[in-house]
Amino acid sequence: QSALTQPASVSGSPGQSITISCTGTSSDVGVYNHVSWYQSHPGNAPKLLIYEATNRPSGVSDRFSGSKSGNTASLTISGLQAEDEAHYYCCSYAGRTTWVFGGGTKVTVL
Amino acid sequence: EVQLVESGGSVVRPGGSLRLSCVASGFIFDDYGMTWVRQAPGKGLEWVSTINWNGGSTSYADSVKGRFTISRDNAKKSLYLQMNSLRAEDTALYHCATFRIVGPTWRYYFDNWGQGTLVTVSS
Repeated sequence: QSALTQPASVSGSPGQSITISCTGTSSDVGVYNHVSWYQSHPGNAPKLLIYEATNRPSGVSDRFSGSKSGNTASLTISGLQAEDEAHYYCCSYAGRTTWVFGGGTKVTVL
Repeated sequence: EVQLVESGGSVVRPGGSLRLSCVASGFIFDDYGMTWVRQAPGKGLEWVSTINWNGGSTSYADSVKGRFTISRDNAKKSLYLQMNSLRAEDTALYHCATFRIVGPTWRYYFDNWGQGTLVTVSS
């Protein structure tokens, strides 16, 4: 149950696009499409942004998109806005009803 | 409106015990599996434990296996986490979260979260 690998921080200017990577192994990200992404603002409950690697729940802005290739999943935020400044976490199902999260990425809007 | 409200967090000495609760409202509790996720100060999210809709299936992270027990009471729309033999590294904000179960199919993502309850293990 080793944590997925995310960059500690990513930054961008308003209007730009940024991508956060999430690298796992052939036991989690590489074998399951069950990758999800969460946004966490300080003091708030985490919010589901992406599920099943590429799907967006209703109500989530289409500026958020997900992809997956091999052992790596990615979250792209397009048209970066000040309100996007937050921590972002990936999560993968790891089999036998266990899950593993990434270490989190702090997004800074310059 | 879906609501998950955790409680039970407090300061406890190493080796002590604590029972966390999560009360749900705004959705059909029996239709969902439940999970506990924690966040240590300055650290990322860590999956802790999961239970299916009727309590018949449970799973635990290696870091808490044998010390923590997850349970639920569907009549009370409540989820619990019994935490024994607590260690300093268990200090964290503990969130409960839901995942949908449709027949035999699990949705492997957490769609509703509570704000969390803080557990501090310190002498």
